[in-house]
Amino acid sequence: RKEVEQDPGPFNVPEGATVAFNCTYSNSASQSFFWYRQDCRKEPKLLMSVYSSGNEDGRFTAQLNRASQYISLLIRDSKLSDSATYLCVVSSQAPYNDMRFGAGTRLTVKP
Amino acid sequence: DTGVSQDPRHKITKRGQNVTFRCDPISEHNRLYWYRQTLGQGPEFLTYFQNEAQLEKSRLLSDRFSAERPKGSFSTLEIQRTEQGDSAMYLCASSYTSGRYNEQFFGPGTRLTVL
Repeated sequence: RKEVEQDPGPFNVPEGATVAFNCTYSNSASQSFFWYRQDCRKEPKLLMSVYSSGNEDGRFTAQLNRASQYISLLIRDSKLSDSATYLCVVSSQAPYNDMRFGAGTRLTVKP
Repeated sequence: DTGVSQDPRHKITKRGQNVTFRCDPISEHNRLYWYRQTLGQGPEFLTYFQNEAQLEKSRLLSDRFSAERPKGSFSTLEIQRTEQGDSAMYLCASSYTSGRYNEQFFGPGTRLTVL
């Protein structure tokens, strides 16, 4: 079993749609959680950290369920520019040198 | 551009040859990481430096791989006797102690193709 598992997609949605990505992790000692975005043939970039209480950044909402070892990312009002691969990342503790990436979920937003 | 830079961006080599990649982190960042990414997968951790000290190496880093960060600034990753299975994108990232969640900033990567 992989340490971090994501639905690979692809998700093809129309502009304006709401889409949700799920991620599960196997290491119960994990302490820090992130979503990274990776455009085609580009480097990953931090989208948002995920807090225990859940957090929102504009159209993006991240949730964490420690009991189920589950993380989610919700994107509302999808834009064409949201098309990318979304990587779920889990780390046990600072300094986050043991970050474990999921394989990513590919999203395509169509006009 | 003050981000993480990597050189070369692309490298094609024949099996059995040695290759070396360079990473220049963001100047004030004391931590530097190397990852490998293959098609359809997320980045896999290879090794990590804090300043010039190499503090952790993944089991993925076989004895054909060696990384250095001699002055705590730029880093090199060398692969000896390359194999076709080494073909991948090699990503470098840097972060700063006490930075926001120790956010790692990635470079554009070096794409290695072993023929």
